[in-house]
Amino acid sequence: DTEVTQTPKHLVMGMTNKKSLKCEQHMGHRAMYWYKQKAKKPPELMFVYSYEKLSINESVPSRFSPECPNSSLLNLHLHALQPEDSALYLCASSQEGGVNYGYTFGSGTRLTVV
Amino acid sequence: AQSVTQLGSHVSVSEGALVLLRCNYSSSVPPYLFWYVQYPNQGLQLLLKYTSAATLVKGINGFEAEFKKSETSFHLTKPSAHMSDAAEYFCAHAERGYQKVTFGTGTKLQVIP
Repeated sequence: DTEVTQTPKHLVMGMTNKKSLKCEQHMGHRAMYWYKQKAKKPPELMFVYSYEKLSINESVPSRFSPECPNSSLLNLHLHALQPEDSALYLCASSQEGGVNYGYTFGSGTRLTVV
Repeated sequence: AQSVTQLGSHVSVSEGALVLLRCNYSSSVPPYLFWYVQYPNQGLQLLLKYTSAATLVKGINGFEAEFKKSETSFHLTKPSAHMSDAAEYFCAHAERGYQKVTFGTGTKLQVIP
């Protein structure tokens, strides 16, 4: 298995809703990442988990809450989002926590906040 | 801050022509460098990476890139463009010892039949 699977592929949520994005990989990678990508922009790092521990939080608002229940699974819990949070949310993983191996990306969740 | 700069937000080439996408990095210590491709409504796919081994790096789909320290460049090339190469290409870098990969602003490649 050489894939990162993200669900759902599309999500529309109201500003008062609570929802979660899910990311799963079975490649034995020990680092996992959340990126946010606005239209026609590069991906921007949100969070890094290394060996199931949060190692980087790029000053992301608390309405985004990451969780890494085990080495294969990464969640992003969403609450009270704003319309400007609408974007493509990408999950990625890398071997043994090393960025020098390069990332394997999922195909993303396209989030629309209404 | 250390970063990568991609010259040209849009590049158009004819099918069969050389593809050259430019990327320059700013770092006193050579970073890790990457090229990723993104097709519409998809995630990113790693094309190739430089991690201080060979300076000429070969990747997937016939792409290659050469790390030139004297020019602080890591340009992406392909001898002959195919229609399927039309996509957004991102140069990215990571500082050694850090887990953060930062992406350039991207270059959209158009291939003209």
